[in-house]
Amino acid sequence: GAVVSQHPSRVICKSGTSVKIECRSLDFQATTMFWYRQFPKKSLMLMATSNEGSKATYEQGVEKDKFLINHASLTLSTLTVTSAHPEDSSFYICSAPRGTGKETQYFGPGTRLLVL
Amino acid sequence: QKEVEQNSGPLSVPEGAIASLNCTYSDRVSQSFFWYRQYSGKSPELIMSIYSNGDKEDGRFTAQLNKASQYVSLLIRDSQPSDSATYLCAVEGYQKVTFGTGTKLQVIP
Repeated sequence: GAVVSQHPSRVICKSGTSVKIECRSLDFQATTMFWYRQFPKKSLMLMATSNEGSKATYEQGVEKDKFLINHASLTLSTLTVTSAHPEDSSFYICSAPRGTGKETQYFGPGTRLLVL
Repeated sequence: QKEVEQNSGPLSVPEGAIASLNCTYSDRVSQSFFWYRQYSGKSPELIMSIYSNGDKEDGRFTAQLNKASQYVSLLIRDSQPSDSATYLCAVEGYQKVTFGTGTKLQVIP
């Protein structure tokens, strides 16, 4: 069964609005979660690392003021795309590492964002 | 140089054949290696993880790792049409996982 959930699975919004995406780890705690973005026929690009109890770590070129990340609890991280524009349309996927010793990432089902 | 390189394909194999997917990486300190399968419009699904040199088998899947050559591969035996997907190679180093662009596999019935 799924170990990481995401909500919503699909969202369509108008340009200039903000969109919040939730990522939850199911039946395990995740002090760290990862947010990726994937454009069509491209690989996953890590956007940021969400850390429970501290600020997120953003990858180079990712605007922290545009992509707000909040790791509210040990099972929930949220990504808010603020003032979304059409170029933000993409497939957003979160993941959480689960395991002992070696990290194995489990991915959420993804959120497809379309900004009109 | 890309950190993780894969041939984008498509790689076409007949049903029942062995599909061989390859991946090279540039960072010698990488410790953990993963293969993910991604169907169109879906998120990646972990198939195999491998941490030490040699082969690791799980059902129809075999992962092979050669750290000296910085090379990791995935063999799929008795390929099925349901195996048609994009296969992503992922490499972990410095607590960060980097993905290749993926190889598209087509299994022809």
